[in-house]
Amino acid sequence: GAVVSQHPSRVICKSGTSVKIECRSLDFQATTMFWYRQFPKKSLMLMATSNEGSKATYEQGVEKDKFLINHASLTLSTLTVTSAHPEDSSFYICSASSDSPNTEAFFGQGTRLTVV
Amino acid sequence: AQSVAQPEDQVNVAEGNPLTVKCTYSVSGNPYLFWYVQYPNRGLQFLLKYITGDNLVKGSYGFEAEFNKSQTSFHLKKPSALVSDSALYFCAVRDRGYNFNKFYFGSGTKLNVKP
Repeated sequence: GAVVSQHPSRVICKSGTSVKIECRSLDFQATTMFWYRQFPKKSLMLMATSNEGSKATYEQGVEKDKFLINHASLTLSTLTVTSAHPEDSSFYICSASSDSPNTEAFFGQGTRLTVV
Repeated sequence: AQSVAQPEDQVNVAEGNPLTVKCTYSVSGNPYLFWYVQYPNRGLQFLLKYITGDNLVKGSYGFEAEFNKSQTSFHLKKPSALVSDSALYFCAVRDRGYNFNKFYFGSGTKLNVKP
């Protein structure tokens, strides 16, 4: 299957600072990328959907000014957690998909964010 | 509204026994259906998908899933479980229509395979 690389895998940051997470599709053109947050009880929460070259579509309840998403090219999307607080500590996962509806989404390895 | 249900929070099975992880969906039209597996602190790995054709789909690691349109189900199965199959499993659907860019995930089922 296709490869999606997510970096970093773990990050610890101080409260009030910003953290950027990168998601790259290595061998296909990802017209759409998704950002998820996974809580300790395992459920995946879709945060936003981004299409290359356009603004991300955020799910209800997700602060767009806090979670900045950029999808500048068909191979790269970034999620920036701005002014991070301890409650933002979580496991963040990206996935990428082409625009063919019968194809699966491919997931990055995830990023464990800890805000201290 | 589109939705996916995984009614079992956890499934326990002994190694060597068959396993089933259940998934039902509620979508308009005919969806694309997927199963993913997640190991601790990792992203999700694709296992298999149903697009069209044969209702029994075979995937990675000996897993298979059966699409049942009348019951709107897509249960994941394996004839003989391994301890290494212990992980978190997610069922997902992708709309064929206007919202084809959206994936809807179930809440996940933790599979425990005991030696």
